[in-house]
Amino acid sequence: DPKIIQKPKYLVAVTGSEKILICEQYLGHNAMYWYRQSAKKPLEFMFSYSYQKLMDNQTASSRFQPQSSKKNHLDLQITALKPDDSATYFCASSHRLGGAETLYFGSGTRLTVL
Amino acid sequence: GDSVTQTEGLVTLTKGLPVMLNCTYQTTYSPFLFWYVQHLNEAPKLLLKSSTDNKRTEHQGFYATLHKSSSSFHLQKSSVQLSDSALYFCALSIYQGGRALIFGTGTTVSVSP
Repeated sequence: DPKIIQKPKYLVAVTGSEKILICEQYLGHNAMYWYRQSAKKPLEFMFSYSYQKLMDNQTASSRFQPQSSKKNHLDLQITALKPDDSATYFCASSHRLGGAETLYFGSGTRLTVL
Repeated sequence: GDSVTQTEGLVTLTKGLPVMLNCTYQTTYSPFLFWYVQHLNEAPKLLLKSSTDNKRTEHQGFYATLHKSSSSFHLQKSSVQLSDSALYFCALSIYQGGRALIFGTGTTVSVSP
């Protein structure tokens, strides 16, 4: 059974619209992350959360907003979508943030913006 | 700033041959290095992670040694299999808390029969 659930698996959106990517982890981890993968930037770090608190944000655009309603949830809201946002978005988690912790990745949400 | 460099974008080789993927890093902090592997249409997953300086770590036939003197953590395998065809990422984590994993640009390994 997958321990990190991402929904939906595929998502098609029109330019200018808004979408929410869902992530739930059942590993009992305290740190969660979002990464983006595209042809231009293979695995680009976006956000990190620890105990539901934002720890690091490397996303230049405010159109990307993470939301943590529960300890094991980290959703990603994207507003005013652009074709350049087309990518696979991976959620990941680890026991804690930093150090020698292993990241575990979800299966990703493949977003296509038309 | 902290960074990871992988010099090869694509490595093509024949089954049974050895492979080495280069990884160097830059940081002023105490580093932890990782290799992640991503097969086609799958999520990245951990292949192996560094141990102490100059100590070799191994997993599934792959091995790497952290050399702090040269800031390197090259990945090697003595005999590749068809199933090793994948995208390999080197990643850096620093001990000082709060930072997420920093990934290199990745090396695609393509193994032919």
